[in-house]
Amino acid sequence: KAGVTQTPRYLIKTRGQQVTLSCSPISGHRSVSWYQQTPGQGLQFLFEYFSETQRNKGNFPGRFSGRQFSNSRSEMNVSTLELGDSALYLCASSPLIRDTQYFGPGTRLTVL
Amino acid sequence: QKEVEQNSGPLSVPEGAIASLNCTYSDRGSQSFFWYRQYSGKSPELIMSIYSNGDKEDGRFTAQLNKASQYVSLLIRDSQPSDSATYLCAVIYIKAAGNKLTFGGGTRVLVKP
Repeated sequence: KAGVTQTPRYLIKTRGQQVTLSCSPISGHRSVSWYQQTPGQGLQFLFEYFSETQRNKGNFPGRFSGRQFSNSRSEMNVSTLELGDSALYLCASSPLIRDTQYFGPGTRLTVL
Repeated sequence: QKEVEQNSGPLSVPEGAIASLNCTYSDRGSQSFFWYRQYSGKSPELIMSIYSNGDKEDGRFTAQLNKASQYVSLLIRDSQPSDSATYLCAVIYIKAAGNKLTFGGGTRVLVKP
């Protein structure tokens, strides 16, 4: 099976812009979770989608949003980018709730 | 108090030795436990999951879970230089809706030839 794919792999944006990141889960996986990884804060949970419904949300401002499509693909959007949003954004998929999660390669976002 | 704690390291071990990594968690209602390996600049790669008390072995890796003491550990036998990476402990709390993984800060392991 193909693994989790994320696009784009690298992004450079300027403050105030918005960005959309995409994630395609492993075939058959219905749950998609998003995480932010920074050197200072480590890996932090953003949100999780299962069957197109957001089931869980982390402690991030409303500028961070996401959605899931009927084919389980997911997108996350960050509006009004800030310098502190520079991070590695990771998507993980799993077949069921409370099941093992498999990570994609990540999207490295740099905000200038 | 952090929810999932790991010693940041670096844990330096000679090649061929056993590396022992520990992770403690704060919520007794934790259900699922995972160890991931992350090389610099890469995404986390699953090593092992463990759900019940005791030991679970997979190749050179052994995970140990003790829910009463609220810790989970990872042993790496016959450590190789390719094992040099950051090892992340992650927990799913039973109270959490869905699949939220709570990660520790990671332990950096250096295997010296």
